[in-house]
Amino acid sequence: QTVVTQEPSFSVSPGATVTLTCGLSSGSVSTSSYPSWYQQTPGQAPRTLIYNTKTRCSGVPDRFSGSILGNKAALTITGAQADDESDYYCVLYIGSAIWVFGGGTKLTVL
Amino acid sequence: EVQLVESGGGLVQPGGSLRLSCAASGFTFSTYWMTWVRQAPGKGLEWVANINEDGSVEQYADSVKGRFTISRDNAKNSLYLQMHSLRAEDTAVYYCARSESYSYGPWGHGTLVTVSS
Repeated sequence: QTVVTQEPSFSVSPGATVTLTCGLSSGSVSTSSYPSWYQQTPGQAPRTLIYNTKTRCSGVPDRFSGSILGNKAALTITGAQADDESDYYCVLYIGSAIWVFGGGTKLTVL
Repeated sequence: EVQLVESGGGLVQPGGSLRLSCAASGFTFSTYWMTWVRQAPGKGLEWVANINEDGSVEQYADSVKGRFTISRDNAKNSLYLQMHSLRAEDTAVYYCARSESYSYGPWGHGTLVTVSS
C-alpha cells in the first residue's frame, strides 16, 4: 500500500522560510503525480493553495510556492506569518485512478 | 461565488446506510469533476471518490470501494454519496469539493457522519 509522507510537525520563526515536503513510501514524486497542497485551520474546511505542482490558486499570497525537490513535492513559505500557522496537506495521484493524501504537517509559527 | 453545501450527515448504526448530498451553485456544475473527501475526528484528510462531468466515470478509494457510490444530478446541480455497510471507521466529516486540474477546491463546509451503536 502506497503511503504519502509528510513531516508531522514543523516550527518556523516569523519572517523565516520553511519548506514542507510530500513524498512516497516507494518511488519518487514527479509532475505526473500532480501534487497539490491544502491549508486547514481547526474547525474549517481546507483551502487549496497550490495545484499541478506549482500553480498558485487565485488569492493565494505569492509567499507560497510549490516545486519538486529531489524525489518529493515541496511547499515553500517565504517570510512566514503568524496566520500561516495551520495544518498543511498534500495529495498525490499514485496511478490506477487512486489519489492519496499525506498525513499532514502541523506548522507552528513562533 | 462558488458555493458547495453538504447535507445528510447524522448518527447511524454500524451496518447501516446514509446518503449525503452536496448542493452546488455559482458555477456550471455539469462541466466539472466532483469529489468527496473525508476527515475522521482529529485525523487527516482522506480522498473518498471522484466522478466525472456526466457521471460516466467513478473512482473510489480502496477503503470504500463496493460500499459507497458517488453520483450526480446535473439538472439539480447536486452531488451525492450513497454509503452502505457503514463501519465505525467511516465516522468523519465528509466534504464535497469541485475538482479541476487534478486538484480539489473550492470546498464545502462538510457534514458529520457518526457510525455508532
